[in-house]
Amino acid sequence: AQSVAQPEDQVNVAEGNPLTVKCTYSVSGNPYLFWYVQYPNRGLQFLLKYITGDNLVKGSYGFEAEFNKSQTSFHLKKPSALVSDSALYFCAVRVSPYSGAGSYQLTFGKGTKLSVIP
Amino acid sequence: DVKVTQSSRYLVKRTGEKVFLECVQDMDHENMFWYRQDPGLGLRLIYFSYDVKMKEKGDIPEGYSVSREKKERFSLILESASTNQTSMYLCASEDRNPGNTIYFGEGSWLTVV
Repeated sequence: AQSVAQPEDQVNVAEGNPLTVKCTYSVSGNPYLFWYVQYPNRGLQFLLKYITGDNLVKGSYGFEAEFNKSQTSFHLKKPSALVSDSALYFCAVRVSPYSGAGSYQLTFGKGTKLSVIP
Repeated sequence: DVKVTQSSRYLVKRTGEKVFLECVQDMDHENMFWYRQDPGLGLRLIYFSYDVKMKEKGDIPEGYSVSREKKERFSLILESASTNQTSMYLCASEDRNPGNTIYFGEGSWLTVV
């Protein structure tokens, strides 16, 4: 079974400082990895994804994430945090169909609340 | 832009009532999903559908059913609502390529009293 771990329930960072939101995954086969953001009382918005190719993926609002196969991680990063980045962040994984596995179901982590302090 | 519309943002229902949550997407996507979101538990898949009239159980299907009579519409049904079904419900859609992005609606907050 596939799984995603976001080890921190909450991350606090000062405005202007770099931020990291951690994500590790477990999957049989090659992973497709996603990050979503959720603002209060809203649905999930897509930030970025890793499918194949360059391990460093750039996404919306200045966010990026690095795929590390040996550490099975896909941490979300931003060089300089903004107060408006404060939100709930979800990491998700599914199996590449080319891995030979049958399930394309997307599995989410429990979420990390990011608070950017002015 | 892809639009996934959940017709009801906030609902309050009584225990035992039958509840319908409606979702419509405008991008001709084959795949549609219903998730439930609870604090500390993240998103859990209730049901999904890969085609019209086709449905598959997710991780927590008990107490729920779904209907997909048209490609653009995916309905979640609570046959007899219970207080433990008070939650945020999220609908999502994507086209059939698994590397593509899943797009979410704004969510439906359901309170069962």
